[in-house]
Amino acid sequence: EAQVTQNPRYLITVTGKKLTVTCSQNMNHEYMSWYRQDPGLGLRQIYYSMNVEVTDKGDVPEGYKVSRKEKRNFPLILESPSPNQTSLYFCASSPGTGDYEQYFGPGTRLTVT
Amino acid sequence: GESVGLHLPTLSVQEGDNSIINCAYSNSASDYFIWYKQESGKGPQFIIDIRSNMDKRQGQRVTVLLNKTVKHLSLQIAATQPGDSAVYFCAESLAGQLTFGSGTQLTVLP
Repeated sequence: EAQVTQNPRYLITVTGKKLTVTCSQNMNHEYMSWYRQDPGLGLRQIYYSMNVEVTDKGDVPEGYKVSRKEKRNFPLILESPSPNQTSLYFCASSPGTGDYEQYFGPGTRLTVT
Repeated sequence: GESVGLHLPTLSVQEGDNSIINCAYSNSASDYFIWYKQESGKGPQFIIDIRSNMDKRQGQRVTVLLNKTVKHLSLQIAATQPGDSAVYFCAESLAGQLTFGSGTQLTVLP
């Protein structure tokens, strides 16, 4: 089944404790992206990647890191999480190269205390 | 990135009627526009897209209209059904960077 998977789905952590949210897709898509969704603010793009070893900042990259060492994986790293990063995070992928029909993962709800 | 906004945060329509959801975008250089549907507790789901060199595109029960003169995008849903109740987001893209609107809650009344 073609899908985007994220892990974990739920995470409660404390300020400053490094964490990684994994994202994997099995559709051989070139384009992958991370978003956060907050009430009243909609979806905001954090980082995106057009292909392996290519990453670019979205609208809200501060406090986040990403890597794209393999085509299928695009982990989101929070080196030192803060409470303002409490949010619902979505990973998405699409074929890329002008086709941004994105497939979204199920979401990761992160709480930073 | 520049923001994408919506005219109305909520929209209620009678089952069987047509729905129109509007979106204003700011970046005249955006080359691709997408509509997504998000049901409660789920990730967004692609509905339809349109490139900047087009002004209309039709899908199954949905039509997207693009007016570049006034930087306006709309989604029309024909014969709205209860399953169409969701939040609808528009998004604009420029070279892979996507900016989403804040969403419109569509409620279908029986």
